[in-house]
Amino acid sequence: DAGVIQSPRHEVTEMGQEVTLRCKPISGHNSLFWYRQTMMRGLELLIYFNNNVPIDDSGMPEDRFSAKMPNASFSTLKIQPSEPRDSAVYFCASNTKNTEAFFGQGTRLTVV
Amino acid sequence: AQSVTQLGSHVSVSEGALVLLRCNYSSSVPPYLFWYVQYPNQGLQLLLKYTTGATLVKGINGFEAEFKKSETSFHLTKPSAHMSDAAEYFCAVSGAGGYQKVTFGIGTKLQVIP
Repeated sequence: DAGVIQSPRHEVTEMGQEVTLRCKPISGHNSLFWYRQTMMRGLELLIYFNNNVPIDDSGMPEDRFSAKMPNASFSTLKIQPSEPRDSAVYFCASNTKNTEAFFGQGTRLTVV
Repeated sequence: AQSVTQLGSHVSVSEGALVLLRCNYSSSVPPYLFWYVQYPNQGLQLLLKYTTGATLVKGINGFEAEFKKSETSFHLTKPSAHMSDAAEYFCAVSGAGGYQKVTFGIGTKLQVIP
């Protein structure tokens, strides 16, 4: 398996623009997580899905953030409109029952 | 509810010295515990995990950790630090069974001094 695949690896956008981050989890994994990593706040769980259903989105910072998982092999995290304080590395991870979370390489987002 | 506390956001050791990174957790259900390592500009990679059974867990690169229920701890150790161990280390907890939410600590940056 190729592991968790995220795209793009790097994204630079202007404030106010819409940003969409993409994730393909490992085949057979039924949970998917979106994390945000910053120097100030460390690794924060934004939202996680189980069997494509959002279970806990309490970490989503604002209504500007939204996440979807239309099927078992694809998820998106969207920020609209983006702001400079959204600059961070966003990680997607997946797992199945009683296993560790497997991480993608992350998307480094810079909002200028 | 579950949480993880990592004591010390930065730890420095000399090459060849013992590495000890501390982690305490809280969980309302029996926990699964993990240590991950992150090298610069990389994703997180699993070092080792505790699920059930033996409380002393051995991982990759010579690391090990011991689950101590009475102390709610899962400290990471390595007898002799190598320069290549310089990285950021994250302790994480999830609940056994059920939904697999994984909660991470703030991370500890390990510096290895030659």
